[in-house]
Amino acid sequence: KQEVTQIPAALSVPEGENLVLNCSFTDSAIYNLQWFRQDPGKGLTSLLLIQSSQREQTSGRLNASLDKSSGRSTLYIAASQPGDSATYLCAVEANSKLTFGKGITLSVRP
Amino acid sequence: DAGVIQSPRHEVTEMGQEVTLRCKPISGHNSLFWYRQTMMRGLELLIYFNNNVPIDDSGMPEDRFSAKMPNASFSTLKIQPSEPRDSAVYFCASSLDRRGREQFFGPGTRLTVL
Repeated sequence: KQEVTQIPAALSVPEGENLVLNCSFTDSAIYNLQWFRQDPGKGLTSLLLIQSSQREQTSGRLNASLDKSSGRSTLYIAASQPGDSATYLCAVEANSKLTFGKGITLSVRP
Repeated sequence: DAGVIQSPRHEVTEMGQEVTLRCKPISGHNSLFWYRQTMMRGLELLIYFNNNVPIDDSGMPEDRFSAKMPNASFSTLKIQPSEPRDSAVYFCASSLDRRGREQFFGPGTRLTVL
């Protein structure tokens, strides 16, 4: 059974810092990996999707990498801003189903 | 596009009552997913449909839960009878295909069963 782990559960950083959020998964037979953002009381917003054949994807200040063989992904956020404060979840797709990590709650202090 | 629409946004009910959650996927999307989110278990897939047909309902916790998709623009998740442990946020998501595509989530329904 696929398990997705995100550690730590919470992170607090000062504004302007570059940061890395980690995600690990136990079964490397995945189709793709997605990173989502969730604001309090809201639904999930897809940030980046990396196909299993890809190594990374970039969108603005966000860069996500995927190392399928080692079961790891990272989400890099450059020059963090208070507006980046949210919970970030990673999810891996296999057999048409997404398995989610429990997320990392990020707080960016002004 | 209005995105995925869910109703109601909040539902408070008493144990034993029937609860029906509703979802309208993004127009043109042919896959629809129902998820449940709790603090303890995180986000879990309950069931998904492709072209209005249920493909995998292995995540449905028990027979009290049922889901239907009578047409491409509407789905329901029903809990009968509801129990306090069903309290959670229920999300609906849709995508262009069941595999390999971004999933777009609705705002969720926060269910409280007293």
